[in-house]
Amino acid sequence: AQSVSQHNHHVILSEAASLELGCNYSYGGTVNLFWYVQYPGQHLQLLLKYFSGDPLVKGIKGFEAEFIKSKFSFNLRKPSVQWSDTAEYFCAVNNWNTGFQKLVFGTGTRLLVSP
Amino acid sequence: SAVISQKPSRDICQRGTSLTIQCQVDSQVTMMFWYRQQPGQSLTLIATANQGSEATYESGFVIDKFPISRPNLTFSTLTVSNMSPEDSSIYLCSGDRANTEAFFGQGTRLTVV
Repeated sequence: AQSVSQHNHHVILSEAASLELGCNYSYGGTVNLFWYVQYPGQHLQLLLKYFSGDPLVKGIKGFEAEFIKSKFSFNLRKPSVQWSDTAEYFCAVNNWNTGFQKLVFGTGTRLLVSP
Repeated sequence: SAVISQKPSRDICQRGTSLTIQCQVDSQVTMMFWYRQQPGQSLTLIATANQGSEATYESGFVIDKFPISRPNLTFSTLTVSNMSPEDSSIYLCSGDRANTEAFFGQGTRLTVV
């Protein structure tokens, strides 16, 4: 079965620090990869996604992620975080063998950015 | 992107009772799904809500415990039946259009006492 591992459960950074959140998945076939963010009191929102093509994906709000197939990884990065980036971040994977969108989520990483 | 309205946003329920959660999408979506997020854990797919037919449940979830309806392309309900404290969780619905990306409701935080 597929699984998704997020290495950091809690991350605390100061504003302007760089961010990298790890994500590894277990499925060996063709996958689609996602990062979702959940701001306090809000619903899950898509940050970025990778389906194919350039493995370096740009998302909203200055976030990017790099798909490294050989490492089964899809780490999320941001060069300089802001206080408003305080949220919970979820990595998710699906594959098209099932024929439709069934997401497998990581456990999430809570990011706290101090001003 | 689609907007998904989910209600109630939270509830506290007595054990042995049932709660029905509603999910309304502002436009037609191909697929609708129900997830559960238990404390400290990741989101786990409960089932796929199929329009006009029985939902497709994931391993470990059964219709008697989590009956689901989807009468049309924009609405679905999930019932948590005969609740116990172990059912305390956040329940989320999501919609997917043309297998692109999933949109999520705000979730229902359920506490069973």
